[in-house]
Amino acid sequence: GAVVSQHPSWVICKSGTSVKIECRSLDFQATTMFWYRQFPKQSLMLMATSNEGSKATYEQGVEKDKFLINHASLTLSTLTVTSAHPEDSSFYICSARRLAYEQYFGPGTRLTVT
Amino acid sequence: EDQVTQSPEALRLQEGESSSLNCSYTVSGLRGLFWYRQDPGKGPEFLFTLYSAGEEKEKERLKATLTKKESFLHITAPKPEDSATYLCAVNIISEKLTFGTGTRLTIIP
Repeated sequence: GAVVSQHPSWVICKSGTSVKIECRSLDFQATTMFWYRQFPKQSLMLMATSNEGSKATYEQGVEKDKFLINHASLTLSTLTVTSAHPEDSSFYICSARRLAYEQYFGPGTRLTVT
Repeated sequence: EDQVTQSPEALRLQEGESSSLNCSYTVSGLRGLFWYRQDPGKGPEFLFTLYSAGEEKEKERLKATLTKKESFLHITAPKPEDSATYLCAVNIISEKLTFGTGTRLTIIP
């Protein structure tokens, strides 16, 4: 149990375009999901906390207008990178909270902006 | 300031050579400590949750322990497939996790 999926697993887009990444909890309901960013050989950096039916809470320094988060149902959260630029290229990972404070992670999405 | 420190940064072991990874924390009000395994290019895989000092959890060749200041991930008779980065995280406030920088473990056949 506690499976989280992400789609797509990798995406290449041109500078200036927008990209949407989906995160789904497949076998449990998640009122809270999280979005992380990870740079090579570094640990995970929390970008935002997404709560079902309400606005996301962004970490300091994360542009909310660039990284749009929507948590429309108990099993789906989406991250849209708007007007992407090469510096947005990264590994994006979502997680979903199940029991207490346990988070289960998706497989990640590799974004490359050319 | 709340901190989570993992050591060593990297560890190379021969197959079958047991060892321990350390996660030390200086936080107030620990609500949970978590261990994850991360393979290259993949998301972290949940291993253990520990809530109180003295607690121990086991899974196959892995055993996690917790004291008031640190947690250890013991690996017994490791195999090459145990090679990965092991991440420690703590929950302090709200539902956020604060991650350590990880230990990159390599098991040599």
